[in-house]
Amino acid sequence: ETGVTQSPTHLIKTRGQQVTLRCSSQSGHNTVSWYQQALGQGPQFIFQYYREEENGRGNFPPRFSGLQFPNYSSELNVNALELDDSALYLCASSLNPSGFTDTQYFGPGTRLTVL
Amino acid sequence: AQTVTQSQPEMSVQEAETVTLSCTYDTSESDYYLFWYKQPPSRQMILVIRQEAYKQQNATENRFSVNFQKAAKSFSLKISDSQLGDAAMYFCAYKKSGGGADGLTFGKGTHLIIQP
Repeated sequence: ETGVTQSPTHLIKTRGQQVTLRCSSQSGHNTVSWYQQALGQGPQFIFQYYREEENGRGNFPPRFSGLQFPNYSSELNVNALELDDSALYLCASSLNPSGFTDTQYFGPGTRLTVL
Repeated sequence: AQTVTQSQPEMSVQEAETVTLSCTYDTSESDYYLFWYKQPPSRQMILVIRQEAYKQQNATENRFSVNFQKAAKSFSLKISDSQLGDAAMYFCAYKKSGGGADGLTFGKGTHLIIQP
């Protein structure tokens, strides 16, 4: 157990809808990263938040957005859902965005299915 | 951009034997970190071992050890005395050091099967 929790566990949406996924970081961690893992693939980096601001982003369109709250919990929002958005979404927390202590600890993920 | 390649989609080993999982990566950076993560059917990604690129000594964690060859850009994972609980997907991952927010770059994974 890493202390990182995510909700919900599973979610089914239809194309065009919007979805919000939630993550609670490990105690003491101030950085959260989100990843998308398609079936049979490795996770792909979506973005990272540090002290409530986005400070890094992977190759994902603007309809993927996020928030980090003062208690370091986080949300991932996806607008205008597409079929290809069906995936496991992983949240990972770490202590700070630089240095060796940047080892990321993952939550169990949210499985999103878009019909 | 950096890439991580795991050339073995699946590996099988007898319980109590040793298995080595391969990983190669491509980067123009000189300082970075490498990781092996394990993802069992429960889906939670668990850190197995990590290696700082500036360290020549290979990292070891109990039955898990790495063979880090910086010049060859190779980072293999050796699992000794394999146990049934080691069965999982194993992902090799890279991260540039020195701050920044690039996130981890993962390979496609190796499915490890442990035969009883």
